[in-house]
Formats: sequence, structure tokens, C-alpha cells
Amino acid sequence: LAKTTQPISMDSYEGQEVNITCSHNNIATNDYITWYQQFPSQGPRFIIQGYKTKVTNEVASLFIPADRKSSTLSLPRVSLSDTAVYYCLVGDHRDDKIIFGKGTRLHILP
Amino acid sequence: EADIYQTPRYLVIGTGKKITLECSQTMGHDKMYWYQQDPGMELHLIHYSYGVNSTEKGDLSSESTVSRIRTEHFPLTLESARPSHTSQYLCASSGGTGSYNEQFFGPGTRLTVL
Repeated sequence: LAKTTQPISMDSYEGQEVNITCSHNNIATNDYITWYQQFPSQGPRFIIQGYKTKVTNEVASLFIPADRKSSTLSLPRVSLSDTAVYYCLVGDHRDDKIIFGKGTRLHILP
Repeated sequence: EADIYQTPRYLVIGTGKKITLECSQTMGHDKMYWYQQDPGMELHLIHYSYGVNSTEKGDLSSESTVSRIRTEHFPLTLESARPSHTSQYLCASSGGTGSYNEQFFGPGTRLTVL
């Protein structure tokens, strides 16, 4: 399981684009990069997953450079309801367990 | 919405009592997990299972035990609850045909031991 490093916390304002970067220098060939979102008193929820280049869905975009040693979750035009903890995970489908790190606590201000 | 359920949602119990936290999923997932999370803190994996009759301990030592007799059911038991067990317990499952390692979480059980 590749170790990930991401900022402990970030603040932003409503309507802005937020980018959260995650470092995973030891990512393996078969590993995918997955991001989860967790609101207080709830379990984490899958946001997006990618292997390389760019992935976009209705919630976010995920940018992965060619060396795959980092990735950036991009949240367009955030609102107060995007205040949550965001976790970056790296692993493949053969992993029996997944480790959630400390995540990034994103606080959106009005 | 994910079809994974946890009961009870909230439990307040006295020290020394035996408790079982229930977790069920209807997605046919092989892998199931239990996490422990204190308010504002990170998730800690305490148990996981990759199929019927398989259980493994996670990265955080826990006095709880689990069983996996049926694919859909993964209960967690504390033989003698203590105040140090006060926490939120989250159950999850994975193994469908969706994205690799996508875990679906239940609503959690918030346990308070007096």
C-alpha cells in the first residue's frame, strides 16, 4: 500500500475552485488513486478515482501527472456544503484492506 | 444510495456489558470492514474480512471480535464494554463491479460507554 501525504487543512471561499494535492511517491504500477469525502458524523463517500491523466465526473476532477507521484483533486465553485474531510488513497483491487490517512480538512467560508 | 446498514445508530451502555454492533449489506460484496473513528480524528481499520469464514485484524488493536458466517452480515462484538470503547464505529463493504476498492459505508454506530 502506497503511503500518501496531503495537507492537514485548507480554507477557501464560496464560489472558488479548490485544489487539494496528494503526494504518493511510492505508487505501484497497478495502483489506482481514489478520493473520498467525509462529512461530520457520516462515513466517507467515494468521490472519484483515476489511474492517469485526467478524470472528471459531476462532482470533481482528478489530475494525475505522467509520473503518477502526485494527484490533485479539483472541486469547481465550492459551496459551504463542500466543507468536509477529503481523503486520498492509493491501492489496487487486490488489496485486502485500505488505509485512510488523516485526510485534508477543507473549510469553506462564506 | 449504498445498501449497507448498521444498527443501532446510537448506543449508550454501562461498563461491563456485552454488546454487538450489527452490519449488513445487500450488494453481495465479498470484502467488509470495521473502522473506529473518534470525533475529528482519522479512521482506524480494526477488522476486515475478504469472504465468509475469513476475518483479519486491522491496523488498530481492538478488544472487539468479529465474525463472518454469511456474506451479507459482519457483526462486531465487545464482550465487556469500557469507557475507552466510546467512539463511532463505521462498517463498509467493497468488491462490486464498480471502481477498484470503492468502499460503501454504513451510517455508523455511535457508542457511549458510561
